[in-house]
Amino acid sequence: DGGITQSPKYLFRKEGQNVTLSCEQNLNHDAMYWYRQDPGQGLRLIYYSQIVNDFQKGDIAEGYSVSREKKESFPLTVTSAQKNPTAFYLCASSDDRDKNEQFFGPGTRLTVL
Amino acid sequence: KQEVTQIPAALSVPEGENLVLNCSFTDSAIYNLQWFRQDPGKGLTSLLLIQSSQREQTSGRLNASLDKSSGRSTLYIAASQPGDSATYLCAGDSGGYQKVTFGTGTKLQVIP
Repeated sequence: DGGITQSPKYLFRKEGQNVTLSCEQNLNHDAMYWYRQDPGQGLRLIYYSQIVNDFQKGDIAEGYSVSREKKESFPLTVTSAQKNPTAFYLCASSDDRDKNEQFFGPGTRLTVL
Repeated sequence: KQEVTQIPAALSVPEGENLVLNCSFTDSAIYNLQWFRQDPGKGLTSLLLIQSSQREQTSGRLNASLDKSSGRSTLYIAASQPGDSATYLCAGDSGGYQKVTFGTGTKLQVIP
């Protein structure tokens, strides 16, 4: 089955810790995205990558970092510099540059204790 | 900066009713417009994509239209069912692999 997987589903972090969220896709898509979703707000773009070894900041990149060493993988690290990291994190990918149709993973809920 | 608004924020209808969800955007330079469904605690499921050269798309009981001149898109759901209960989000992009801007969604409840 082709799709996007995210792990873990739930993640708990103590203050001051860095954590890494996994996102893997077997759709052979070029572009991948990380979004953050908070209650009552639309999805906000954290980072996106159009090709391996290249990525760009989105609207709320501060306190986050990413890497794109392989086409199928786009991990997100939430650093201790992120002031309010508790949220639902969604990974997406797209293939056709003209259509830019987004396909989403199941999400990771991060809670800071 | 593109802003996408969805009104109403919540909607409750009896089963069997036809309904329309609205999406409006501030910048008419929308290239593609996509509608999604999100169930509680889940990721987004793509419903319909209206590409730049298109005005509407249909899938089963769903029909989405896009009017760039007025900055509006609508999602029409025919003969609603309890299983349609979810949050519906619209999202637009400016072409290529560029940023996609999402609305805040309309939470739909279909009452049996």
